[in-house]
Amino acid sequence: GAVVSQHPSWVICKSGTSVKIECRSLDFQATTMFWYRQFPKQSLMLMATSNEGSKATYEQGVEKDKFLINHASLTLSTLTVTSAHPEDSSFYICSARPAGLAVNNEQFFGPGTRLTVL
Amino acid sequence: QKEVEQDPGPLSVPEGAIVSLNCTYSNSAFQYFMWYRQYSRKGPELLMYTYSSGNKEDGRFTAQVDKSSKYISLFIRDSQPSDSATYLCAMSFINDYKLSFGAGTTVTVRA
Repeated sequence: GAVVSQHPSWVICKSGTSVKIECRSLDFQATTMFWYRQFPKQSLMLMATSNEGSKATYEQGVEKDKFLINHASLTLSTLTVTSAHPEDSSFYICSARPAGLAVNNEQFFGPGTRLTVL
Repeated sequence: QKEVEQDPGPLSVPEGAIVSLNCTYSNSAFQYFMWYRQYSRKGPELLMYTYSSGNKEDGRFTAQVDKSSKYISLFIRDSQPSDSATYLCAMSFINDYKLSFGAGTTVTVRA
């Protein structure tokens, strides 16, 4: 149980285009999902917290107009990188926190999406 | 100063050795402490969690938390080549679901 999927697993796009990444909780409902960014050999950096049915909360320094987050249902959150540039190339990982009583602040992570902007 | 400090390694050990990993942190308000394992190009998977101070054992893995020293550890006994991965420590406050991660330590277990 507690499986989180991401789609696509990797994407290459041209500079200036927009890319949408989906995060789904497959066997549980998630009221809260998190989006992280990870550069090579570095740790995860929290970008934003996404709550179902409300606006996402962005961390300091993360441009909300560039990284659009939508959490339209209890099993799906999307991250859209708008007008992508080479510096946006990174590994994007989502995590989901189960609805209801969650033990120990547990989050389940997706497999990640590798974005390369040419 | 980073909120969570973790030596990135790399750490290379022979098969069967004990792997010792640790993190230090600066905020004494952290209450939940976790260790994640991340294989290359994959998302992190939860290995161990501990609430407040103390030890926890699960199979070959032992997690320790010393809140007085703001220091947490993960030990892997009888290490196997399949344990080769990056290990990330993470921690959170009691009423906040956001996780603060360490940089991750890359471990290689040599057959």
